[in-house]
Amino acid sequence: AQTVTQSQPEMSVQEAETVTLSCTYDTSESDYYLFWYKQPPSRQMILVIRQEAYKQQNATENRFSVNFQKAAKSFSLKISDSQLGDAAMYFCAYYQIQGAQKLVFGQGTRLTINP
Amino acid sequence: EAGVAQSPRYKIIEKRQSVAFWCNPISGHATLYWYQQILGQGPKLLIQFQNNGVVDDSQLPKDRFSAERLKGVDSTLKIQPAKLEDSAVYLCASSLDHPGQGGEQYFGPGTRLTVT
Repeated sequence: AQTVTQSQPEMSVQEAETVTLSCTYDTSESDYYLFWYKQPPSRQMILVIRQEAYKQQNATENRFSVNFQKAAKSFSLKISDSQLGDAAMYFCAYYQIQGAQKLVFGQGTRLTINP
Repeated sequence: EAGVAQSPRYKIIEKRQSVAFWCNPISGHATLYWYQQILGQGPKLLIQFQNNGVVDDSQLPKDRFSAERLKGVDSTLKIQPAKLEDSAVYLCASSLDHPGQGGEQYFGPGTRLTVT
């Protein structure tokens, strides 16, 4: 079964600085999707960024970018110019296209932004 | 566009009681998901519907959990009888895309269940 591992239970960063959240996954598939979702305190989970495994170019969304290393099965999220509103739980998730088509989430990383 | 609606937001029951959760997905979304999120963990998929058919329920404890999506729109998730370990947030999500397309899932606010 596919597994997703986030080795950093908690991270903190100064406002306006850059932070990188780590994620590794285990799969024997070659075609899949990877996601980062954000879950603010007492608020709904929302999509931050999405990466298709067949694309070599790293996805970017404004201040959010990923470093996708397919061979290493690594998918880290970089947040630039951190803002207070970025404080949340961040979940890395894997989606298999063939077979069991479902999102598998990591354990999450709690990000704190220090003013 | 209205988001995914869930009710109730909070529920406290005693073990061995039954409980039901309701979800109304975003209009037009074919795929609906129920997740269980235990405190300190990532969400775990319980069941996935495409329209009113079940796509995946491999992680649904079928001896006590049941779910339905009548007419391919609203869905209910039921637990009967509840156990202490069922205490969790139950998230509903919907997606415009069909399974396999890897589309964005839109999540509701969740129902926080406490079993005492």
